[in-house]
Amino acid sequence: DTGVSQNPRHKITKRGQNVTFRCDPISEHNRLYWYRQTLGQGPEFLTYFQNEAQLEKSRLLSDRFSAERPKGSFSTLEIQRTEQGDSAMYLCASSETGEIGTGELFFGEGSRLTVL
Amino acid sequence: DQQVKQNSPSLSVQEGRISILNCDYTNSMFDYFLWYKKYPAEGPTFLISISSIKDKNEDGRFTVFLNKSAKHLSLHIVPSQPGDSAVYFCADKSNFGNEKLTFGTGTRLTIIP
Repeated sequence: DTGVSQNPRHKITKRGQNVTFRCDPISEHNRLYWYRQTLGQGPEFLTYFQNEAQLEKSRLLSDRFSAERPKGSFSTLEIQRTEQGDSAMYLCASSETGEIGTGELFFGEGSRLTVL
Repeated sequence: DQQVKQNSPSLSVQEGRISILNCDYTNSMFDYFLWYKKYPAEGPTFLISISSIKDKNEDGRFTVFLNKSAKHLSLHIVPSQPGDSAVYFCADKSNFGNEKLTFGTGTRLTIIP
């Protein structure tokens, strides 16, 4: 399968614990995005990388959130000291720089976080 | 900042009829608008887009119309099929180089057989 892969698909944790999600983008894509989706809302932008450089972070991304893409391939999103308000679907997407056209993002199936 | 609004949270349409999903935006500075479709427990998948310089784009059963003066776009699906039942999001693609998408809140479309 050559699509965007995310794991784990579902994580249940207790408040205060740390969690980490992983995203493997489509191999030739050098842009990688993290979005968060809560019930009844559309996906909200969190951050994006071009290769290994993190180029933009949303103000939604508090200092408890950190994302990395160490070698410009896979990415991790870590949430420290989770709160119940962090419960959401975390979506990863990738795209190819310089693609002339719509700038379509290819999304993974998401990682659902439930904080008890 | 761009705001993208989908004011109808849900829509039910008889199979074979036309489905019309609407989207309003606030900022005229965009490159493209895109429509994504999302099934439960799956990520959004790209459906169709429209450039800011066009007013219509058609792909099979799907047509998107852009009315720049009204800052409004719509997605038409005809004829509607049961497999079209999903949540539809419109999304604005920024023209600031990061290709970030700003999504609306979505419309749940249900096709009634």
